[in-house]
Amino acid sequence: DAGVIQSPRHEVTEMGQEVTLRCKPISGHNSLFWYRQTMMRGLELLIYFNNNVPIDDSGMPEDRFSAKMPNASFSTLKIQPSEPRDSAVYFCASSFSGSSPLHFGNGTRLTVT
Amino acid sequence: GDSVTQMEGPVTLSEEAFLTINCTYTATGYPSLFWYVQYPGEGLQLLLKATKADDKGSNKGFEATYRKETTSFHLEKGSVQVSDSAVYFCALSEAGANSKLTFGKGITLSVRP
Repeated sequence: DAGVIQSPRHEVTEMGQEVTLRCKPISGHNSLFWYRQTMMRGLELLIYFNNNVPIDDSGMPEDRFSAKMPNASFSTLKIQPSEPRDSAVYFCASSFSGSSPLHFGNGTRLTVT
Repeated sequence: GDSVTQMEGPVTLSEEAFLTINCTYTATGYPSLFWYVQYPGEGLQLLLKATKADDKGSNKGFEATYRKETTSFHLEKGSVQVSDSAVYFCALSEAGANSKLTFGKGITLSVRP
């Protein structure tokens, strides 16, 4: 299995631009998680889906952030408009519901200038 | 709410030294406990886990014992190697939480030859 696949690996954009991060979970996994990692705040759970349905989005910082999971094999995290404080590494992870552990992708390093 | 507290870092050791990384937790129920490791430029990987009190998780020479009485899950290794240099995260998952993990802030371990 290829594992959780995230794209792009690196994204550099200017403040105000729209950013879309993509994730392909492991086949057969039915839970998907988006995390953000920064030096100051560590790993923060932004949102997670179970069977393509958002279960908990309380970690989404504000309305500029949105996430979708149109099918079991694809999810997006969108930031519009982006701001410099959004600079971080964004991780996607998947698991089979009720059976940890999480499998993480290699992350997308976002830099907003 | 649930929380995980890790000792402050970073930690620098010489090769073959003994390692202890402290982790304590707060949870309302009976969580499962995990240690994840993050190598440079990669996502997190599960290192070991324990699902109930007094369980010992072990992998690659690392061990941690689930201590309910002290709400702790300290990570130990008898003899570290340069290749163990990474960031280590303690985490918990509440039973029935669909694998939703709460992470500690992580600690950077550097092992010098």
